[in-house]
Amino acid sequence: AQSVTQPDIHITVSEGASLELRCNYSYGATPYLFWYVQSPGQGLQLLLKYFSGDTLVQGIKGFEAEFKRSQSSFNLRKPSVHWSDAAEYFCAVGGDSNYQLIWGAGTKLIIKP
Amino acid sequence: DSGVTQTPKHLITATGQRVTLRCSPRSGDLSVYWYQQSLDQGLQFLIQYYNGEERAKGNILERFSAQQFPDLHSELNLSSLELGDSALYFCASSASGRVQSNEQFFGPGTRLTVL
Repeated sequence: AQSVTQPDIHITVSEGASLELRCNYSYGATPYLFWYVQSPGQGLQLLLKYFSGDTLVQGIKGFEAEFKRSQSSFNLRKPSVHWSDAAEYFCAVGGDSNYQLIWGAGTKLIIKP
Repeated sequence: DSGVTQTPKHLITATGQRVTLRCSPRSGDLSVYWYQQSLDQGLQFLIQYYNGEERAKGNILERFSAQQFPDLHSELNLSSLELGDSALYFCASSASGRVQSNEQFFGPGTRLTVL
């Protein structure tokens, strides 16, 4: 079955510290992978996406993610977080045969001053 | 601002009632998606329309229905409302219906409270 797992419901990091949010997927074909961010009271916004090519993708707001096929992972990273990064982050996967995305449960990022 | 508009922003109603949520996609986008986000269920895909036709169906209850009109705006109808239908309902749009081709742009959501 197709699925996306974000194992961390909440993550707390100090401002200025590095961040890694985990995403693991189960998908039977070549996956298309996405990270979206939802700031409090807002809709979701695309941070970055991976379709093919270089497995390290750069996104907006200083985020990057690395696709590791052998580990079925697409972890999101940022070298130094800012208080404005406090939000909920969603990983999603889709493919050629899908018209819809399969979404993870989300990880809420809390920033300590 | 994503360019996707949703009305109303908030809706409070009673159990058993029927409501209609409206979504206008970004200019030029042909595809509209509806999502439900609640604390216990997370983000759930409900249904997708592409250029007026239903394209994909997710976890949408039989009490819920949607349509996309010729001007591409979409409406989500929720009937026989239950307390558990209280949630944030998002609409998203994309240029085409293919997952791999297009980013989905999300509206600000409609918060539905069923009392």
